Amino acid sequence: GQNIDQPTEMTATEGAIVQINCTYQTSGFNGLFWYQQHAGEAPTFLSYNVLDGLEEKGRFSSFLSRSKGYSYLLLKELQMKDSASYLCAVMDSNYQLIWGAGTKLIIKP
Amino acid sequence: ETGVTQTPRHLVMGMTNKKSLKCEQHLGHNAMYWYKQSAKKPLELMFVYNFKEQTENNSVPSRFSPECPNSSHLFLHLHTLQPEDSALYLCASSQERGGGQETQYFGPGTRLLVL
Repeated sequence: GQNIDQPTEMTATEGAIVQINCTYQTSGFNGLFWYQQHAGEAPTFLSYNVLDGLEEKGRFSSFLSRSKGYSYLLLKELQMKDSASYLCAVMDSNYQLIWGAGTKLIIKP
Repeated sequence: ETGVTQTPRHLVMGMTNKKSLKCEQHLGHNAMYWYKQSAKKPLELMFVYNFKEQTENNSVPSRFSPECPNSSHLFLHLHTLQPEDSALYLCASSQERGGGQETQYFGPGTRLLVL
């Protein structure tokens, strides 16, 4: 079967750095997405990785290793507004998105 | 962000009611999706429309009936729902399905409570 694993919850301190991991087993691979979802709001697109390596976008970076079936989202200089759930999703060979259950990130002052 | 809008934002209905959820996208996309989001579970894909044609129905019970009159609008008709159908229903759109332009953009969702 197809599976996406990510931690259920993480806690970090304002101003610090946090890394949210995602491992996957899917039928084929056509890219990996990260989304941010604040409580009661729409998931918003953060990043897309299809090649191995690190993609940097401001305070957020996303890394992919296809051989290891592994990705991480790195958030730097954490702000209180970064408290949200972070969703990892992989597009399989049929172009269907397989979703993880999300990681709830709690930022403390 | 008003690229994808959904109405109503909240809905309470009895098991014998009929209601409809509406989604509209202003992004010029050709693919639209309905998802169900339950607490602490992955998003569940329900239906996919590509160029107004339904391309996927992921074994969704018939009490959920989608309608896509054009590429900008998507409806989900609800009839004789069960309490376990209570969830957040999300609509999304993408440029197209299976063509490499797959980034999906979501609406804010309809929080549904079935009593």
